Amino acid sequence: SAVISQKPSRDICQRGTSLTIQCQVDSQVTMMFWYRQQPGQSLTLIATANQGSEATYESGFVIDKFPISRPNLTFSTLTVSNMSPEDSSIYLCSVDVRQETQYFGPGTRLLVL
Amino acid sequence: GQQLNQSPQSMFIQEGEDVSMNCTSSSIFNTWLWYKQEPGEGPVLLIALYKAGELTSNGRLTAQFGITRKDSFLNISASIPSDVGIYFCAGLQSHDKIIFGKGTRLHILP
Repeated sequence: SAVISQKPSRDICQRGTSLTIQCQVDSQVTMMFWYRQQPGQSLTLIATANQGSEATYESGFVIDKFPISRPNLTFSTLTVSNMSPEDSSIYLCSVDVRQETQYFGPGTRLLVL
Repeated sequence: GQQLNQSPQSMFIQEGEDVSMNCTSSSIFNTWLWYKQEPGEGPVLLIALYKAGELTSNGRLTAQFGITRKDSFLNISASIPSDVGIYFCAGLQSHDKIIFGKGTRLHILP
């Protein structure tokens, strides 16, 4: 498995602002993933982040809204840009430590007013 | 797009009862994963299944990878209060994308 931490754990933000969420893993991993979990809902993949290449975004998510960085094999950031109340969600990062198994961080709870 | 149908959506059971939930899909998956999520936490991996027909246990939890590769079930025996949470099934077709079910919310009555 892997130990994954996220910062911040929660935040309350004003609409129109941006928030950058950090994800740190205790071991080097090739693939990191960012998910969104809206209140009472399941998890939806935003994008896949591989070190040294551009993130791959899922349908409905765009780089301008959710820019991602992956500077090394243990770290990634997701920015939620120009936020609106509809962006209020839990944002989760996960890693693929063993092929075909993903482990999740504790999540970042975002409330946009 | 691909969907996983997870049922039941919620369960209210008495402490000590056994629990059963399942996921089905019209698509074939190479891997089935079962996660549990508690309030304020991220999903925690419970069981991973990699082979059709595989039956795997983790304490009081037992999960099976359906022989058709289109379904999986999770059983919890002798439920206890700390089993409360949301259980998600997830399927992988390739090593980089997981499809999640909508979750089963388990409530345990005292």
